[in-house]
Amino acid sequence: QSALTQPASVSGSPGQSITISCIGTSSDIGGYNYVSWYQQYPGKAPKLLIYDVSSRPSGVSNRFSGSKSGDTASLTISGLQAEDEADYYCSSYTIRSTVLFGGGTKVTVL
Amino acid sequence: QLQLQESGPGLVKPSETLSLTCTVSGGPIGSSSYYWAWIRQPPGKTLEWIGNIYYTGRTDYNPSLRSRVTISVDTSMDHFSLSLNSVTAADTAVYYCARLGIIVGYGLDVWGQGTTVTVSS
Repeated sequence: QSALTQPASVSGSPGQSITISCIGTSSDIGGYNYVSWYQQYPGKAPKLLIYDVSSRPSGVSNRFSGSKSGDTASLTISGLQAEDEADYYCSSYTIRSTVLFGGGTKVTVL
Repeated sequence: QLQLQESGPGLVKPSETLSLTCTVSGGPIGSSSYYWAWIRQPPGKTLEWIGNIYYTGRTDYNPSLRSRVTISVDTSMDHFSLSLNSVTAADTAVYYCARLGIIVGYGLDVWGQGTTVTVSS
């Protein structure tokens, strides 16, 4: 199984909005609404930001939002803040009952 | 509050077997709403799902690792384990255990802190 495709890096200025894409196939993103997004700081474990394409766990800022169209999912960070500088990973449950991750996107706040 | 903690050797010799345990505290491992997963992250690289287990013992594995991986669960001790045989330097990584929630769209909602495993002679 191939990893989901994410841009290696995305940057933005404080206050701006950025969007990270995650491209899969009809066997994963396109087949289910089981897309998740994770935030990871260096040396730390990932943290669940979004599940079921667009749902946020309790405690996650509403500046983070998710969406999906066909085989592509997206994570948007609104009102970018310095603390948002981290690595972001998308993930999808697949029709083969496996879990796929994306290659990861490094977000830089300029 | 549910917590997960990985434990096991930090150094494994090539061709030997890597064995890790994840202890679950603050909640039962025998819940019908969750699977229990292993994920790894080689230095500077992305996350890789290794596999997961249900409290009944049903397992799902990454096809690329299936021939070398065994995940088991002990519901009486509230822990689950990973065994990866015939390791090489490519298996050097931070290994995480995590909870995979059916009710959160198969998202990994609770993670251990991770444990670094180095494969070297």
